[in-house]
Amino acid sequence: EDKVVQSPLSLVVHEGDTVTLNCSYEVTNFRSLLWYKQEKKAPTFLFMLTSSGIEKKSGRLSSILDKKELFSILNITATQTGDSAVYLCAALYGGATNKLIFGTGTLLAVQP
Amino acid sequence: DGGITQSPKYLFRKEGQNVTLSCEQNLNHDAMYWYRQDPGQGLRLIYYSQIVNDFQKGDIAEGYSVSREKKESFPLTVTSAQKNPTAFYLCASSTPAGNTEAFFGQGTRLTVV
Repeated sequence: EDKVVQSPLSLVVHEGDTVTLNCSYEVTNFRSLLWYKQEKKAPTFLFMLTSSGIEKKSGRLSSILDKKELFSILNITATQTGDSAVYLCAALYGGATNKLIFGTGTLLAVQP
Repeated sequence: DGGITQSPKYLFRKEGQNVTLSCEQNLNHDAMYWYRQDPGQGLRLIYYSQIVNDFQKGDIAEGYSVSREKKESFPLTVTSAQKNPTAFYLCASSTPAGNTEAFFGQGTRLTVV
């Protein structure tokens, strides 16, 4: 069964901490892995990873993919209260018809 | 501006009624998706479509139906057969090759009363 698993399910940290969110996947014909941030309604795009070992960075956020271990991490350094959100990981995969499935998300709460 | 639009934002339905959620995109994307999100949960795939007049069931298709008569539109009907329809519904679109991210609409919150 194709699946995406995220851990931890929830996390509480203090401002300034560094956090690492995990995402593992088991899918057929993997194409890419995507990270999204969801605060209230629509998820907003963070990163798209297609190749192993290439870190993508955006400000205090970074992410990397390991296609051998079927794993990705999302790092957030110097966390701020505005980072509080659900972080979703998704795998795009498939042969003739691409499918995009999501993990259950990690709920991050950053306390002042 | 290009984007993906869902309507309505909030919808109330009586038990036993069918209701249709709208999703329109002007991004020229071939692929479109419908997801359901319950409180504290991730997104679960209901249906997806890679091309006009073709669509596939996702993981939780029972009680739902879709159509894809136009590239821009992918409406979702929540039928009376759906046992627990109260949820937040998100529509997304992307290029079928997957070389760009999926874009999301703002969602429709359906409540059965």
